[in-house]
Amino acid sequence: QKEVEQNSGPLSVPEGAIASLNCTYSDRVSQSFFWYRQYSGKSPELIMSIYSNGDKEDGRFTAQLNKASQYVSLLIRDSQPSDSATYLCAAPYLGSGNTGKLIFGQGTTLQVKP
Amino acid sequence: DAGITQSPRHKVTETGTPVTLRCHQTENHRYMYWYRQDPGHGLRLIHYSYGVKDTDKGEVSDGYSVSRSKTEDFLLTLESATSSQTSVYFCAISDRTGNQPQHFGDGTRLSIL
Repeated sequence: QKEVEQNSGPLSVPEGAIASLNCTYSDRVSQSFFWYRQYSGKSPELIMSIYSNGDKEDGRFTAQLNKASQYVSLLIRDSQPSDSATYLCAAPYLGSGNTGKLIFGQGTTLQVKP
Repeated sequence: DAGITQSPRHKVTETGTPVTLRCHQTENHRYMYWYRQDPGHGLRLIHYSYGVKDTDKGEVSDGYSVSRSKTEDFLLTLESATSSQTSVYFCAISDRTGNQPQHFGDGTRLSIL
């Protein structure tokens, strides 16, 4: 199993719907997670961090962490065409010590159709 | 936005030539990273730095070297560029260890012919 896994998609949702992006992880990562959004031809941009079990909401975005099942999700409510991008899940390597290294999933491409 | 500047933003060069990419930060962050991103492979760590003159290899370090003589600058060098090193290169920084996110520069698109 890869340390952090995402379905590459594309995930297609209609405008106004809830988009649900999922990420599973192994025991080899520390249980803090970061969601990045990457528009085509641009760099990854941090949009959410989640460190504890449960939900964290920020505007239209909700990150959910379920440590028992080893998955983390990003929900986007009222999806807009401007949300169309690739979403990357990332977590620190367990035992990465004084390096700050992150392991990134392959990313899920989201398409929001008007 | 984190103050990270990558230069050049685009470069085309020939096989066998040396290439140096620069990452400059104004955040005074301790940690800096170089990634390459290729279709089907996602982001892959090349080298990273945890302080001035302190660097280490990532998962795809062959053919690359780095240097960090000042907190604000992290240089990535391709000693003798090959076509397989055609990619988009991103620099990232983070402030502390202990499960902190990284923030990315705008990237350098490098083509080696």
